[in-house]
Amino acid sequence: KAGVTQTPRYLIKTRGQQVTLSCSPISGHRSVSWYQQTPGQGLQFLFEYFSETQRNKGNFPGRFSGRQFSNSRSEMNVSTLELGDSALYLCASSLGTGDSPLHFGNGTRLTVT
Amino acid sequence: SQKIEQNSEALNIQEGKTATLTCNYTNYSPAYLQWYRQDPGRGPVFLLLIRENEKEKRKERLKVTFDTTLKQSLFHITASQPADSATYLCALLILTGGGNKLTFGTGTQLKVEL
Repeated sequence: KAGVTQTPRYLIKTRGQQVTLSCSPISGHRSVSWYQQTPGQGLQFLFEYFSETQRNKGNFPGRFSGRQFSNSRSEMNVSTLELGDSALYLCASSLGTGDSPLHFGNGTRLTVT
Repeated sequence: SQKIEQNSEALNIQEGKTATLTCNYTNYSPAYLQWYRQDPGRGPVFLLLIRENEKEKRKERLKVTFDTTLKQSLFHITASQPADSATYLCALLILTGGGNKLTFGTGTQLKVEL
Protein backbone atom coordinates (compact mmCIF):
# COMPACT_ATOMS: atom_id res chain seq x y z
CA LYS A 1 0.00 0.00 0.00
CA ALA A 2 1.33 3.44 -0.88
CA GLY A 3 1.92 5.76 2.05
CA VAL A 4 0.75 9.32 2.58
CA THR A 5 2.10 11.62 -0.11
CA GLN A 6 2.59 15.34 0.41
CA THR A 7 3.50 17.83 -2.28
CA PRO A 8 5.52 19.87 -2.70
CA ARG A 9 8.34 18.77 -0.44
CA TYR A 10 9.84 22.25 -0.14
CA LEU A 11 8.40 25.67 -0.74
CA ILE A 12 9.77 29.20 -0.43
CA LYS A 13 7.30 32.06 -0.35
CA THR A 14 7.35 35.76 0.41
CA ARG A 15 5.40 37.49 3.19
CA GLY A 16 1.89 38.35 2.08
CA GLN A 17 1.63 35.58 -0.50
CA GLN A 18 -0.61 32.58 -0.19
CA VAL A 19 0.23 28.90 -0.48
CA THR A 20 -1.59 25.63 -1.10
CA LEU A 21 -0.25 22.31 0.14
CA SER A 22 -1.52 18.94 -1.03
CA CYS A 23 -1.95 15.59 0.69
CA SER A 24 -2.91 12.21 -0.75
CA PRO A 25 -3.92 9.77 2.02
CA ILE A 26 -3.53 6.03 2.18
CA SER A 27 -6.17 4.30 0.08
CA GLY A 28 -9.27 3.60 2.19
CA HIS A 29 -8.50 6.25 4.80
CA ARG A 30 -11.28 8.80 5.13
CA SER A 31 -9.72 11.01 7.80
CA VAL A 32 -6.99 13.53 7.04
CA SER A 33 -5.40 15.68 9.74
CA TRP A 34 -2.95 18.54 9.33
CA TYR A 35 -0.24 19.57 11.78
CA GLN A 36 2.30 22.37 11.94
CA GLN A 37 5.68 21.47 13.40
CA THR A 38 8.21 24.05 14.60
CA PRO A 39 11.26 23.61 16.86
CA GLY A 40 9.76 25.75 19.59
CA GLN A 41 6.14 24.57 19.61
CA GLY A 42 6.39 20.98 18.43
CA LEU A 43 3.44 19.45 16.60
CA GLN A 44 0.39 21.72 16.65
CA PHE A 45 -2.97 20.45 15.43
CA LEU A 46 -4.51 22.51 12.61
CA PHE A 47 -7.64 20.62 11.58
CA GLU A 48 -9.09 17.24 10.69
CA TYR A 49 -11.35 16.34 7.78
CA PHE A 50 -13.50 13.24 7.52
CA SER A 51 -15.56 12.48 4.43
CA GLU A 52 -15.16 16.04 3.12
CA THR A 53 -16.31 17.67 6.40
CA GLN A 54 -14.11 19.48 8.89
CA ARG A 55 -14.57 17.51 12.07
CA ASN A 56 -12.08 19.21 14.39
CA LYS A 57 -10.17 22.45 14.39
CA GLY A 58 -7.13 23.68 16.32
CA ASN A 59 -6.35 27.19 17.54
CA PHE A 60 -5.00 28.75 14.39
CA PRO A 61 -6.15 32.00 12.74
CA GLY A 62 -8.60 31.98 9.87
CA ARG A 63 -5.72 32.44 7.40
CA PHE A 64 -5.28 28.68 7.70
CA SER A 65 -7.95 26.73 5.88
CA GLY A 66 -8.38 23.35 4.33
CA ARG A 67 -10.65 21.14 2.36
CA GLN A 68 -11.09 17.51 1.48
CA PHE A 69 -12.25 16.11 -1.82
CA SER A 70 -14.51 13.14 -2.50
CA ASN A 71 -11.46 10.91 -3.10
CA SER A 72 -10.20 11.87 0.41
CA ARG A 73 -7.32 13.93 -0.96
CA SER A 74 -6.88 17.11 1.04
CA GLU A 75 -5.45 20.56 0.53
CA MET A 76 -4.38 23.15 3.05
CA ASN A 77 -4.23 26.84 2.25
CA VAL A 78 -2.45 29.62 4.10
CA SER A 79 -3.23 33.16 3.02
CA THR A 80 -1.31 36.36 3.74
CA LEU A 81 1.80 34.51 4.81
CA GLU A 82 3.78 35.72 7.82
CA LEU A 83 7.38 34.95 8.75
CA GLY A 84 6.10 32.90 11.68
CA ASP A 85 4.34 30.51 9.31
CA SER A 86 7.70 29.00 8.38
CA ALA A 87 7.42 25.41 9.51
CA LEU A 88 7.12 21.78 8.52
CA TYR A 89 3.50 21.04 7.62
CA LEU A 90 2.53 17.44 8.15
CA CYS A 91 -0.50 15.62 6.90
CA ALA A 92 -1.69 12.35 8.42
CA SER A 93 -4.39 9.95 7.35
CA SER A 94 -6.29 7.35 9.34
CA LEU A 95 -9.46 5.27 9.35
CA GLY A 96 -10.96 7.98 11.52
CA THR A 97 -11.91 6.03 14.62
CA GLY A 98 -10.53 6.93 18.04
CA ASP A 99 -8.21 3.97 18.22
CA SER A 100 -6.82 4.21 14.70
CA PRO A 101 -3.25 5.45 14.49
CA LEU A 102 -2.17 8.33 12.30
CA HIS A 103 -0.04 7.65 9.23
CA PHE A 104 2.05 10.70 8.45
CA GLY A 105 3.56 11.94 5.24
CA ASN A 106 7.05 13.40 5.26
CA GLY A 107 5.74 16.93 5.20
CA THR A 108 6.10 20.13 3.25
CA ARG A 109 8.86 22.42 4.47
CA LEU A 110 7.57 25.99 4.05
CA THR A 111 9.95 28.92 4.34
CA VAL A 112 8.53 32.44 4.36
CA THR A 113 10.98 35.24 3.61
CA SER B 1 -4.23 24.73 31.31
CA GLN B 2 -3.67 21.43 29.53
CA LYS B 3 -0.09 20.26 29.19
CA ILE B 4 1.79 17.26 27.89
CA GLU B 5 5.35 17.11 29.13
CA GLN B 6 8.19 15.01 27.88
CA ASN B 7 11.85 15.28 28.87
CA SER B 8 13.15 18.15 26.79
CA GLU B 9 16.73 17.08 27.35
CA ALA B 10 18.13 14.39 25.12
CA LEU B 11 18.55 10.93 26.58
CA ASN B 12 21.89 9.24 25.88
CA ILE B 13 22.25 5.55 26.68
CA GLN B 14 24.58 2.72 25.84
CA GLU B 15 23.71 0.02 23.35
CA GLY B 16 22.06 -2.96 24.99
CA LYS B 17 20.58 -0.98 27.89
CA THR B 18 16.91 -0.19 28.43
CA ALA B 19 15.79 3.31 27.50
CA THR B 20 12.89 4.74 29.49
CA LEU B 21 11.05 7.82 28.27
CA THR B 22 8.42 9.69 30.27
CA CYS B 23 5.23 11.42 29.26
CA ASN B 24 3.30 13.39 31.89
CA TYR B 25 0.07 15.22 31.30
CA THR B 26 -2.17 17.58 33.25
CA ASN B 27 -5.83 18.52 32.89
CA TYR B 28 -6.54 15.82 30.34
CA SER B 29 -8.67 12.71 30.53
CA PRO B 30 -7.40 10.87 27.49
CA ALA B 31 -9.16 7.88 26.06
CA TYR B 32 -6.02 6.73 24.30
CA LEU B 33 -2.32 7.41 24.49
CA GLN B 34 -0.05 6.78 21.54
CA TRP B 35 3.69 6.78 20.98
CA TYR B 36 5.39 7.78 17.76
CA ARG B 37 8.94 7.83 16.49
CA GLN B 38 10.26 10.65 14.32
CA ASP B 39 13.51 10.69 12.38
CA PRO B 40 15.03 13.95 11.09
CA GLY B 41 13.30 15.25 7.97
CA ARG B 42 10.51 12.67 8.13
CA GLY B 43 7.01 12.44 9.51
CA PRO B 44 6.28 10.62 12.77
CA VAL B 45 5.73 6.86 12.62
CA PHE B 46 3.19 5.14 14.88
CA LEU B 47 4.59 2.67 17.39
CA LEU B 48 2.05 1.73 20.06
CA LEU B 49 -1.40 2.65 21.35
CA ILE B 50 -2.67 2.04 24.88
CA ARG B 51 -6.22 2.57 26.10
CA GLU B 52 -7.21 4.27 29.35
CA ASN B 53 -8.29 0.95 30.88
CA GLU B 54 -5.02 -0.81 29.99
CA LYS B 55 -1.99 -0.75 32.26
CA GLU B 56 0.64 -2.08 29.89
CA LYS B 57 1.19 -2.90 26.23
CA ARG B 58 4.10 -4.67 24.57
CA LYS B 59 5.38 -5.01 21.04
CA GLU B 60 8.68 -6.77 20.45
CA ARG B 61 11.32 -4.71 22.32
CA LEU B 62 8.86 -1.93 23.16
CA LYS B 63 6.71 -1.60 26.26
CA VAL B 64 4.32 1.16 27.24
CA THR B 65 2.67 1.68 30.61
CA PHE B 66 -0.23 4.02 31.32
CA ASP B 67 -1.12 5.24 34.81
CA THR B 68 -4.22 7.43 34.71
CA THR B 69 -3.93 8.16 38.44
CA LEU B 70 -0.41 9.53 38.12
CA LYS B 71 -1.28 10.93 34.67
CA GLN B 72 1.84 9.40 33.27
CA SER B 73 3.00 7.02 30.55
CA LEU B 74 6.39 5.34 30.41
CA PHE B 75 7.88 4.08 27.17
CA HIS B 76 10.61 1.46 27.36
CA ILE B 77 12.94 0.17 24.67
CA THR B 78 14.82 -2.92 25.83
CA ALA B 79 18.15 -4.07 24.36
CA SER B 80 18.48 -0.69 22.67
CA GLN B 81 20.39 -0.34 19.40
CA PRO B 82 21.92 2.67 17.61
CA ALA B 83 19.08 2.34 15.06
CA ASP B 84 16.67 3.25 17.88
CA SER B 85 18.15 6.77 17.95
CA ALA B 86 15.32 9.17 17.10
CA THR B 87 12.84 11.56 18.69
CA TYR B 88 9.95 9.87 20.47
CA LEU B 89 6.61 11.62 20.79
CA CYS B 90 3.69 10.80 23.02
CA ALA B 91 0.22 11.85 21.97
CA LEU B 92 -3.14 11.95 23.72
CA LEU B 93 -6.54 11.50 22.19
CA ILE B 94 -9.52 12.99 23.93
CA LEU B 95 -12.94 11.92 22.69
CA THR B 96 -14.89 15.10 21.94
CA GLY B 97 -18.07 13.63 20.55
CA GLY B 98 -16.59 13.28 17.11
CA GLY B 99 -13.30 13.44 15.41
CA ASN B 100 -9.70 12.74 16.08
CA LYS B 101 -7.77 15.51 17.75
CA LEU B 102 -4.51 13.96 18.74
CA THR B 103 -2.42 16.30 20.89
CA PHE B 104 1.33 15.72 20.90
CA GLY B 105 4.08 16.31 23.42
CA THR B 106 7.24 18.04 22.24
CA GLY B 107 9.20 14.81 22.15
CA THR B 108 12.35 13.37 23.69
CA GLN B 109 15.45 12.79 21.62
CA LEU B 110 17.06 9.42 22.26
CA LYS B 111 20.63 8.66 21.28
CA VAL B 112 21.94 5.11 21.62
CA GLU B 113 25.70 4.94 21.63
CA LEU B 114 27.96 2.00 20.83
